[in-house]
Amino acid sequence: DQQVKQNSPSLSVQEGRISILNCDYTNSMFDYFLWYKKYPAEGPTFLISISSIKDKNEDGRFTVFLNKSAKHLSLHIVPSQPGDSAVYFCAASDKTSGSRLTFGEGTQLTVNP
Amino acid sequence: EAGVAQSPRYKIIEKRQSVAFWCNPISGHATLYWYQQILGQGPKLLIQFQNNGVVDDSQLPKDRFSAERLKGVDSTLKIQPAKLEDSAVYLCASSTGGSSSYNEQFFGPGTRLTVL
Repeated sequence: DQQVKQNSPSLSVQEGRISILNCDYTNSMFDYFLWYKKYPAEGPTFLISISSIKDKNEDGRFTVFLNKSAKHLSLHIVPSQPGDSAVYFCAASDKTSGSRLTFGEGTQLTVNP
Repeated sequence: EAGVAQSPRYKIIEKRQSVAFWCNPISGHATLYWYQQILGQGPKLLIQFQNNGVVDDSQLPKDRFSAERLKGVDSTLKIQPAKLEDSAVYLCASSTGGSSSYNEQFFGPGTRLTVL
């Protein structure tokens, strides 16, 4: 049972344009959502998060949007830079499982110069 | 501040052999996690420690996997005997383990295991 799904395995955008990465979830108990970024041969690094009581969180070029009714979140990167090329994982947690994270499959973002 | 350390970085073994991975979390982090990441999938939690006690090992295949964190600091994960499907990257993460529902997890670089 895949509770967090990232349906796009890959995304390619031009430098300077917007990158939009999508994530869907099925567990209505999830109350905290995160995006992690992973470069090859490195562990995932935290990028941005959002609590279920909010619908938007912004940090510089990165914005996460949460649509609870649709059980959908998205990560917007504006403007995209070649250094943003990495695998992006969506993750979720709920109070009942403490700090356990459930990850999506990841989306490989390639930003072309 | 030093990050999460893991060793070895790469390991190749034959099926039915045993293997062990080591993790040293960020100093002062009470919570330690082991994840398995199979190629093309997201990380899946295997076991979570709070200090030296197990909080969650519901997804650990206990017939072949074991983990310990005896002194509440570093940890080892062992597979005995290994199967082909154990080929994956094994990630260790740590967090402060406070009382809120979520604490940011910091990941190590992982150990890439190949079982032949």
